[in-house]
Amino acid sequence: DTAVSQTPKYLVTQMGNDKSIKCEQNLGHDTMYWYKQDSKKFLKIMFSYNNKELIINETVPNRFSPKSPDKAHLNLHINSLELGDSAVYFCASSAVVNSNQPQHFGDGTRLSIL
Amino acid sequence: ELKVEQNPLFLSMQEGKNYTIYCNYSTTSDRLYWYRQDPGKSLESLFVLLSNGAVKQEGRLMASLDTKARLSTLHITAAVHDLSATYFCAVMLRGGSQGNLIFGKGTKLSVKP
Repeated sequence: DTAVSQTPKYLVTQMGNDKSIKCEQNLGHDTMYWYKQDSKKFLKIMFSYNNKELIINETVPNRFSPKSPDKAHLNLHINSLELGDSAVYFCASSAVVNSNQPQHFGDGTRLSIL
Repeated sequence: ELKVEQNPLFLSMQEGKNYTIYCNYSTTSDRLYWYRQDPGKSLESLFVLLSNGAVKQEGRLMASLDTKARLSTLHITAAVHDLSATYFCAVMLRGGSQGNLIFGKGTKLSVKP
């Protein structure tokens, strides 16, 4: 059974469009995250949610809006997509916000902007 | 601002050889994580190091943490091709951004026969 699942796995779209990526975890964790991995493989945290509430919002354009309908889901909506948004977006979860245990990552969503 | 630096960023080694990847970080933290990423895949947790002097081993990989030196090492013993991957260290921030993992740039390891 997949622990952290993201959909879609691949997303190819044009500049200016709006798109969403969905993430679900079945681990019973309270905290979920979105990371961006750029073309040089550098990973950077974007958002962190604890029990449906935003706790970390790094310097991310406000075109990116996370939404957590419940603690098992954290979706990422992106408005007015730009070329620089092309990257792999990873969702992750951990038991609690300050857990000693590692964060569990999804398989990533490869976003390509044409 | 916490910075995490890994070196080397690229490592090409022959099977059977030993090598060490280094991870330095700039501010106090007592939680360090090592992850492995295969091309096009997710991140897999390898080690969690939670205290000064912590040492963990799994197969041919051994990780250690020196919080005073702000240094973690990932030692590879008698490398095999299956270890080819990118290895990331990540440090957890204390304080206001608790839970925020800061990643190093990764070390791309290529093990050749």
